[in-house]
Parts: sequence; structure tokens; C-alpha cells
Amino acid sequence: EAQVTQNPRYLITVTGKKLTVTCSQNMNHEYMSWYRQDPGLGLRQIYYSMNVEVTDKGDVPEGYKVSRKEKRNFPLILESPSPNQTSLYFCASSWLAGAGEQYFGPGTRLTVT
Amino acid sequence: KNEVEQSPQNLTAQEGEFITINCSYSVGISALHWLQQHPGGGIVSLFMLSSGKKKHGRLIATINIQEKHSSLHITASHPRDSAVYICAVIRGNYQLIWGAGTKLIIKP
Repeated sequence: EAQVTQNPRYLITVTGKKLTVTCSQNMNHEYMSWYRQDPGLGLRQIYYSMNVEVTDKGDVPEGYKVSRKEKRNFPLILESPSPNQTSLYFCASSWLAGAGEQYFGPGTRLTVT
Repeated sequence: KNEVEQSPQNLTAQEGEFITINCSYSVGISALHWLQQHPGGGIVSLFMLSSGKKKHGRLIATINIQEKHSSLHITASHPRDSAVYICAVIRGNYQLIWGAGTKLIIKP
């Protein structure tokens, strides 16, 4: 089954404690992306990757890091989380960036206290 | 002003009604997506279109590139159609610009 998986689905953490949200897709897509979703603001892109070892900033990259060492995996790293990073996070992939059908992970709800 | 505007922001209707959700954009695009976000949070792609009209079941999407406008219609609406509907446009470098979404509630 074609899918994008994210882990964990829910996470409560404290300010400053490094965390990683994993994302994996099984469709051999070259393009992967991370979004955060906040009430009233819609989806905002954090980082995206056009291919292995190629990553670029989206609209709200501050406080986040990513890596793309393998085609299937695109982890999101928060080195020092802060309460303003409390949000719902989605990973997505497609075969041709925005021009292809978008496949989303189930979301990770992060709370930073 | 946002580059992609959806209207209405919220819509409540009775079961069976014909639903229209609008998406207007101010940038040049090559195509546009409509997606559905379920109450549980999951997001699924409904349509991607660059011209004319597409239909899938009770859902119909139209786009007018010259007028910079797209609509999503739901015929014979049902409570299970309750969701947030999101429009996203594709700009030249294949990046997406997202609308804020329309929250639809269908009452039985």
C-alpha cells in the first residue's frame, strides 16, 4: 500500500529538549516536504527536498532542521524546541514536487511546554 | 493580501444540499490542487486540474485559469462530507501556495 508514515503521532516535550519526527514514504518519490498547520493559518511549508541530499527552506524554516540521506526518509529535527513550535506537523511526498499528486502522512501533534 | 483566498471560511449546510467552495488566486499558475482534511486530521488529494472540469463521484472541480478562479462542488451532500477542503496552486517552480481551507459541516 502506498503510504507516508510519521512517528510519533503525538508528542509532549519540554522547551529545549531535542526531538526528531521521522517521515518515510514507500513510493520512491523524489520530492518530500514538511508542513506545520496552525489554526486559521492553513498549511505552511517548513522545508522541502527535491531529491537525496537536496533540501531547501520553505516559508517557516526557523528553528527546524532536516536531512535527506535516503530517498525514502526525511526526518524533521527540532534542536531546541520552544512553545511557539507547538503545532500539527505533516510530512508529504509526490513524484514531481507540487505538480504531482500529494501524499500526506497522518500528522504529528507536538506540544512544547 | 494572501495569494490564495478561499471562500467561505466556514460553511454549514443541510444534508442533500449542493455545496460550492471557491478558490481565487492572484499569481500565475500551471495547475491547482483540491484536498480534503478529515476531522481526524488526515489529508487526501481530491483533484489536480489545469483546465476545465474534473468529476469524481459527487465531487466536481472546475477551474478558469484566465479568471484565476476554481470551484469545488459537492452534489447531494452527506454528513460524511464534513471536512476541511483546501485549495493549493502550483507556481512555476513546482512549489505550492496553500489556501487557508474551508471548514464544511453537513448536518443530517
